[in-house]
Amino acid sequence: QKEVEQNSGPLSVPEGAIASLNCTYSDRGSQSFFWYRQYSGKSPELIMSIYSNGDKEDGRFTAQLNKASQYVSLLIRDSQPSDSATYLCAVGADGLTFGKGTHLIIQP
Amino acid sequence: NAGVTQTPKFQVLKTGQSMTLQCAQDMNHNSMYWYRQDPGMGLRLIYYSASEGTTDKGEVPNGYNVSRLNKREFSLRLESAAPSQTSVYFCASSAPGLYEQYFGPGTRLTVT
Repeated sequence: QKEVEQNSGPLSVPEGAIASLNCTYSDRGSQSFFWYRQYSGKSPELIMSIYSNGDKEDGRFTAQLNKASQYVSLLIRDSQPSDSATYLCAVGADGLTFGKGTHLIIQP
Repeated sequence: NAGVTQTPKFQVLKTGQSMTLQCAQDMNHNSMYWYRQDPGMGLRLIYYSASEGTTDKGEVPNGYNVSRLNKREFSLRLESAAPSQTSVYFCASSAPGLYEQYFGPGTRLTVT
């Protein structure tokens, strides 16, 4: 059984600070890793994908992957109130395994 | 470019009734997926189709059937609905080799 673990939160971060979201996964053979953002009542929206060890930056978002530790993280710089949402970590290829999500609250 | 579309948006069924959830994508993606999302359980894969004419079971396939009608359309059928199938159902699609999945708006299903 493939598992993806996330801290459910809520994680509360002041506006303008860095939000750090973490995820661990059980399948050592996993090759593809994704972060989705989901607002309440809406569908998941892809914000980052990462396939190799190291960092990948896109605007205010940085994804970090460490396959040896089976660990994926997402950093959000200069956090805005609009970043308040649930962030889902997903792992896999044909059919993703999702974590249960971390609820992030950005406090103005 | 509508992306992934799903119909209906909301549905209420009685136990034992059947229905089909429709999904279509206009991104020329090969792979399509059906997930369900329940509070406290996260998103779970029901079925997927890697290409037209193929389907495979996911984590929670019991009680569901699927049809990949053509490259654009992938439907999910509940033959005899049960209260345990009350959930939000999402369809997604991805381009070959990338595995980045793009989701439709979802169908909120209640079975009484």
